[in-house]
Amino acid sequence: DGGITQSPKYLFRKEGQNVTLSCEQNLNHDAMYWYRQDPGQGLRLIYYSQIVNDFQKGDIAEGYSVSREKKESFPLTVTSAQKNPTAFYLCASSIATTGGRKPQHFGDGTRLSIL
Amino acid sequence: GEDVEQSLFLSVREGDSSVINCTYTDSSSTYLYWYKQEPGAGLQLLTYIFSNMDMKQDQRLTVLLNKKDKHLSLRIADTQTGDSAIYFCAESIMNYGGATNKLIFGTGTLLAVQP
Repeated sequence: DGGITQSPKYLFRKEGQNVTLSCEQNLNHDAMYWYRQDPGQGLRLIYYSQIVNDFQKGDIAEGYSVSREKKESFPLTVTSAQKNPTAFYLCASSIATTGGRKPQHFGDGTRLSIL
Repeated sequence: GEDVEQSLFLSVREGDSSVINCTYTDSSSTYLYWYKQEPGAGLQLLTYIFSNMDMKQDQRLTVLLNKKDKHLSLRIADTQTGDSAIYFCAESIMNYGGATNKLIFGTGTLLAVQP
């Protein structure tokens, strides 16, 4: 079955530590996205990538970094510069063509907490 | 600016109809989506409507779009306890910074179905 796999499901970060969240998709989608979800809020876009080796900042990119070396993979690093990293992180993917219906498909999320 | 608003909570009895409302501000929206999120999980795409339509029905789900008032609703007929979840509406923004598939999410409506 095609889908998006996020790992780990739960992650704990110590002060001053960088952590990396994994996102892999086998849907053959060109575009991939990272969102942050906080309680009582909608999803906020961190980074997105429309094609391999290219990515753009979303609305809340500070303290985060990404890479897109392969079409299937879009890992997110939460750096020590992100002072409030506790949240639920969601990865999504979609086809990336102009116009037309391009729903985003989501993984099951990674919950990150501070130790 | 872009903004999507939803009421935070809705409680219904099993077997009744549920109506979840959403308002949006960006008139350039192309597609509008409804997603469902169960506890601890990612977002599941439920249905969508193109901005030149005013109604779409899909089994127990009916989406109504009033483009003049920028109002979107999701009606769930014969609501079941398994429908208890958070429901997000999202609008697709054309050509946002070159990304043709940016989604703006509402804050989500928690639907509680009482047996």
